[in-house]
Amino acid sequence: AQSVAQPEDQVNVAEGNPLTVKCTYSVSGNPYLFWYVQYPNRGLQFLLKYITGDNLVKGSYGFEAEFNKSQTSFHLKKPSALVSDSALYFCAVILYNFNKFYFGSGTKLNVKP
Amino acid sequence: KAGVTQTPRYLIKTRGQQVTLSCSPISGHRSVSWYQQTPGQGLQFLFEYFSETQRNKGNFPGRFSGRQFSNSRSEMNVSTLELGDSALYLCASSLQTGTSTDTQYFGPGTRLTVL
Repeated sequence: AQSVAQPEDQVNVAEGNPLTVKCTYSVSGNPYLFWYVQYPNRGLQFLLKYITGDNLVKGSYGFEAEFNKSQTSFHLKKPSALVSDSALYFCAVILYNFNKFYFGSGTKLNVKP
Repeated sequence: KAGVTQTPRYLIKTRGQQVTLSCSPISGHRSVSWYQQTPGQGLQFLFEYFSETQRNKGNFPGRFSGRQFSNSRSEMNVSTLELGDSALYLCASSLQTGTSTDTQYFGPGTRLTVL
């Protein structure tokens, strides 16, 4: 079965510090990995995706993620957190030819001033 | 380009009623997917439509159904509402040029409350 795990329900970080939101996956086949962010009472906004190629993917708002095949991970990172980054973050995986996302449970990011 | 739009944004229904939610995808997008988001279950896939055909389906009872029109707009219907159907229902559209690597873009959601 395909699955995505976000082991931390919540991540707290001080503004200006680097942040990491963790994601691991379990799929049979080559995964396509995505990160989305959700602000209160809003839909999901696309941040970045990994399809193939360079393991380090750069996305919107200064976020980046590193695909690690051996550790089956796709952690989201940002060098310097902003208070406005506080939101709910979702990792998702989709398999080739299957147009169905498997989402992680979400991680609430709190950035304190 | 306008984003994905969903109507209505908020709905309040009572148990046993039925409800229809609407989704208009981004212009040119041919695939529409529906998700249910609840605090307890997270984001769960309902179904996906492409060219008016349901291509994928999640593990939801038959009370949940959908359809897609020739202009790619989609509707989902929930019959015989239960309290547990209270959720945020999200619609997402993608180009679907032939692979599943297309990014899905989400609408703001419809907040359904069942009393």
